[in-house]
Amino acid sequence: DTAVSQTPKYLVTQMGNDKSIKCEQNLGHDTMYWYKQDSKKFLKIMFSYNNKELIINETVPNRFSPKSPDKAHLNLHINSLELGDSAVYFCASSQTMTGSSGANVLTFGAGSRLTVL
Amino acid sequence: AQSVTQPDIHITVSEGASLELRCNYSYGATPYLFWYVQSPGQGLQLLLKYFSGDTLVQGIKGFEAEFKRSQSSFNLRKPSVHWSDAAEYFCAVVNGNKLVFGAGTILRVKS
Repeated sequence: DTAVSQTPKYLVTQMGNDKSIKCEQNLGHDTMYWYKQDSKKFLKIMFSYNNKELIINETVPNRFSPKSPDKAHLNLHINSLELGDSAVYFCASSQTMTGSSGANVLTFGAGSRLTVL
Repeated sequence: AQSVTQPDIHITVSEGASLELRCNYSYGATPYLFWYVQSPGQGLQLLLKYFSGDTLVQGIKGFEAEFKRSQSSFNLRKPSVHWSDAAEYFCAVVNGNKLVFGAGTILRVKS
């Protein structure tokens, strides 16, 4: 069983559309994250949730809305897609919040490549 | 705020040669440092981590890294590179409640 699974793996869509990426982890972790990897492979955190509570909300356009229905799932919905949203989006999870008691190791999903035309 | 710098964008080594990938971290309290590897089209896999204690840490796939406070470095090493090691390598540091990544180093292995 995949520890952190994301769907879809590839997503091609037109500008202005709304799309969602889903993430599920079966590790029993409390904390989940969304990272964005741009075309230069730079990884930047977007959001993190701990036990369904939003903890980190970086400077991300409000067209991006994460939702965590339970601590095993963290979805990312993007409204009014723009060309600049094209990237690989990685979901990750960790046992507890990074930095809360030492550091925790993040386990990453395989990524969802979003292409906006 | 903690951050990491990976000075080398690309490195090419011959198969069987030794490897060292550089990572420098910004000054702060004892850093929590990580190395991850990303193979083409894949997610990130943890190679090793340093939290405290022994400054030489062993990881998976024959990798090791040494924490040097005097040089603010956490360089990744492997004594003999295999063609399957070709990938992108990311150094990362905990900054508050976030894991912050360096820009990555692409490793090419020539036969």
